[in-house]
Amino acid sequence: NAGVTQTPKFQVLKTGQSMTLQCAQDMNHNSMYWYRQDPGMGLRLIYYSASEGTTDKGEVPNGYNVSRLNKREFSLRLESAAPSQTSVYFCASSEPGRSKNIQYFGAGTRLSVL
Amino acid sequence: AQTVTQSQPEMSVQEAETVTLSCTYDTSESDYYLFWYKQPPSRQMILVIRQEAYKQQNATENRFSVNFQKAAKSFSLKISDSQLGDAAMYFCAYSQGRGGGADGLTFGKGTHLIIQP
Repeated sequence: NAGVTQTPKFQVLKTGQSMTLQCAQDMNHNSMYWYRQDPGMGLRLIYYSASEGTTDKGEVPNGYNVSRLNKREFSLRLESAAPSQTSVYFCASSEPGRSKNIQYFGAGTRLSVL
Repeated sequence: AQTVTQSQPEMSVQEAETVTLSCTYDTSESDYYLFWYKQPPSRQMILVIRQEAYKQQNATENRFSVNFQKAAKSFSLKISDSQLGDAAMYFCAYSQGRGGGADGLTFGKGTHLIIQP
């Protein structure tokens, strides 16, 4: 039962470097999400994809781009990392609908930008 | 925009006792969902309980129950017979009903629950 798989689990970057966080789900969910979690804060939505082929900005999209590669995969890219992007990143997926709409989360990626 | 407020940064309870975590939210929508998620030290986000706003009956899951007061926009979590494994951060979250909740969750800042043996 893999659920939502994120890679990598840990990453250290230097300011200005780029990287892509990968996320894949095997639950055949239509919607996928990227959140960040900072100390003392709840999770904040960066971007989401309500269905394959669509992406939308969340609360804190600046400095990030996303790609919904197919129904299973949703990647998050940092083009030029900044120390303010040091955080724990979570990917999630869900099947929207009245009797559903439960988000399942990956294990998170801890990113440090020096 | 919706907001979720958890006013208790930290709570402590004796093992086997009952504890209630508070959550209030602000929304102009009438159709929405509310959730409690648990985050243990492993960092994994685990769904504890879910409430649909159109249902008046409070949700329950074993030792976990909610007190959903729609008019007061309050959604508290009660944990009965607290166990050591309940120690974690607890997050209250909101999702709007429009679009089936596809546009993501709004989280509170969390309550750190400590279980005293």
